[in-house]
Amino acid sequence: EAQVTQNPRYLITVTGKKLTVTCSQNMNHEYMSWYRQDPGLGLRQIYYSMNVEATDKGDVPEGYKVSRKEKRNFPLILESPSPNQTSLYFCASSIKKTDKNQPQHFGDGTRLSIL
Amino acid sequence: SQQGEEDPQALSIQEGENATMNCSYKTSINNLQWYRQNSGRGLVHLILIRSNEREKHSGRLRVTLDTSKKSSSLLITASRAADTASYFCATDRNFNKFYFGSGTKLNVKP
Repeated sequence: EAQVTQNPRYLITVTGKKLTVTCSQNMNHEYMSWYRQDPGLGLRQIYYSMNVEATDKGDVPEGYKVSRKEKRNFPLILESPSPNQTSLYFCASSIKKTDKNQPQHFGDGTRLSIL
Repeated sequence: SQQGEEDPQALSIQEGENATMNCSYKTSINNLQWYRQNSGRGLVHLILIRSNEREKHSGRLRVTLDTSKKSSSLLITASRAADTASYFCATDRNFNKFYFGSGTKLNVKP
């Protein structure tokens, strides 16, 4: 089954304790992206990746890191989490063609609470 | 700043009625996509309309795009209780960066 898998689904942690949210897709998609969803603000893009070893900042990259060492994985790293990073996070992937966008496939989300 | 904004923020209708949601955006786009999000789940892609298209249909969904007004609408005909969800429009400027609105929450009463 084609899917985007995020782990963990829920996490409560404390300020300053490094954490990683994993994202994996089994569709051989080139493009992957991370979003955070906050009430009243919709989804905001954190980072995206056009292919292996090619990442770039979205609208709200501060406080986050990503890496793309393999095509299927795109982990989101919070080196020193703070309470304002409490949010619902989504990973998404899509086929990437040069001049055309394709629908993004989303994971089921990771709810992070930073105390 | 947000690129897409949906209107209304919330909509409540009876089963069988049509639901119309609007999306406005600020700058030129390559395409516009509509997504649905059921409570507690990820977003599901509904329909994509390119900047050179004016109307697109998919089943009970009809999307229009007016680039001169920088707006789009999503019409769901003959709505069902299962259509209850939040609906988002998403735009992009350079095929890589996407901007989502804050969504329209649709409630379809049986």
